[in-house]
Amino acid sequence: SQELEQSPQSLIVQEGKNLTINCTSSKTLYGLYWYKQKYGEGLIFLMMLQKGGEEKSHEKITAKLDEKKQQSSLHITASQPSHAGIYLCGADRGSQGNLIFGKGTKLSVKP
Amino acid sequence: NAGVMQNPRHLVRRRGQEARLRCSPMKGHSHVYWYRQLPEEGLKFMVYLQKENIIDESGMPKERFSAEFPKEGPSILRIQQVVRGDSAAYFCASSPSTGGQYFGPGTRLTVT
Repeated sequence: SQELEQSPQSLIVQEGKNLTINCTSSKTLYGLYWYKQKYGEGLIFLMMLQKGGEEKSHEKITAKLDEKKQQSSLHITASQPSHAGIYLCGADRGSQGNLIFGKGTKLSVKP
Repeated sequence: NAGVMQNPRHLVRRRGQEARLRCSPMKGHSHVYWYRQLPEEGLKFMVYLQKENIIDESGMPKERFSAEFPKEGPSILRIQQVVRGDSAAYFCASSPSTGGQYFGPGTRLTVT
């Protein structure tokens, strides 16, 4: 069964708008990772969150992990066409270190 | 510091041939993970290795697939007697002992 649910599955926004992508787990997570993937390419590491309530920002992207460590959000402020791609959340369940992934959110930014 | 390197980037094999995918982790990283991304599906874990050891292979198909990470040289994912269903993007990630996984660009395998 899919243990990580991402929403929405796809998102189209106008350039300059803010947006949020969510990632929810049915189980407490050891760590939560956000990656960006362009079609046909590899995954670009964005952020890693490990502590409940943790929040990290890089340029216009902010990621948060809730206190229970079961839900994370990725927020992009003033989106740009360069933000377009597939955003994946990956969860570390702390057993052997391998990650499980959500199915991704496809983001398109209209200029 | 070069990132995770994978080669080849694209590989075409006929049914029944062998495919060898290589992964060189980032400098200083001693943990290697292999994942597979099938068309229209998410990224799935296959195997986790440290130098000369397989730590977790719970995601590996029982037959035809094997992986190694020798003392010297890259990690290798080997698929014997490939079938069309093996067509996918195969990603390698490496990790330092402190955590975080950094992915390579992937190898796109096409089985004809």
